[in-house]
Amino acid sequence: DGGITQSPKYLFRKEGQNVTLSCEQNLNHDAMYWYRQDPGQGLRLIYYSQIVNDFQKGDIAEGYSVSREKKESFPLTVTSAQKNPTAFYLCASTPGRYGYTFGSGTRLTVV
Amino acid sequence: GQSLEQPSEVTAVEGAIVQINCTYQTSGFYGLSWYQQHDGGAPTFLSYNALDGLEETGRFSSFLSRSDSYGYLLLQELQMKDSASYFCAVRGPGGKLIFGQGTELSVKP
Repeated sequence: DGGITQSPKYLFRKEGQNVTLSCEQNLNHDAMYWYRQDPGQGLRLIYYSQIVNDFQKGDIAEGYSVSREKKESFPLTVTSAQKNPTAFYLCASTPGRYGYTFGSGTRLTVV
Repeated sequence: GQSLEQPSEVTAVEGAIVQINCTYQTSGFYGLSWYQQHDGGAPTFLSYNALDGLEETGRFSSFLSRSDSYGYLLLQELQMKDSASYFCAVRGPGGKLIFGQGTELSVKP
């Protein structure tokens, strides 16, 4: 079955450490997105990519970085510059006009 | 920029009908979507309106009025499993979705 796989499901980060969240899709979708969700809040866009080797900053890109070397993969790195990284991170993709498909998310906690 | 407003919470009883409203401000409109998210889970796509009017998908319907920058999600024959958060979202340039803060729906027996 096609879908989006995010790993790990839970991730713990120490202060000052960079961590990378994985997002892989086998839906053959061109566009991929990273969102952050804080408790009781909506989803805020971090980065998005419409094609391979190209990506744009979203509304809250500071402290994050991404790459898009393959159509299937869009990893997100949470750097030490992100001062409040504890959140639920969601990866999504879409074939174009509408109907995002989301992964099951990664819950990141700073310890 | 873009912003969306929706009620923070709604409560209804099983079997009833509930309407969740959404008003938006956007610098370019490409459609209004609705997503459902159960606690701790991934959002799932419910519906999409690009043109004015009502779209029906089973127990769920979604309405859009572009002149009023307004839409709503209508849930009929409510079931306990419908308890979840519901998000409206507008699609902006580049295909990116901008989400509202979400409406938490509680269905009571």
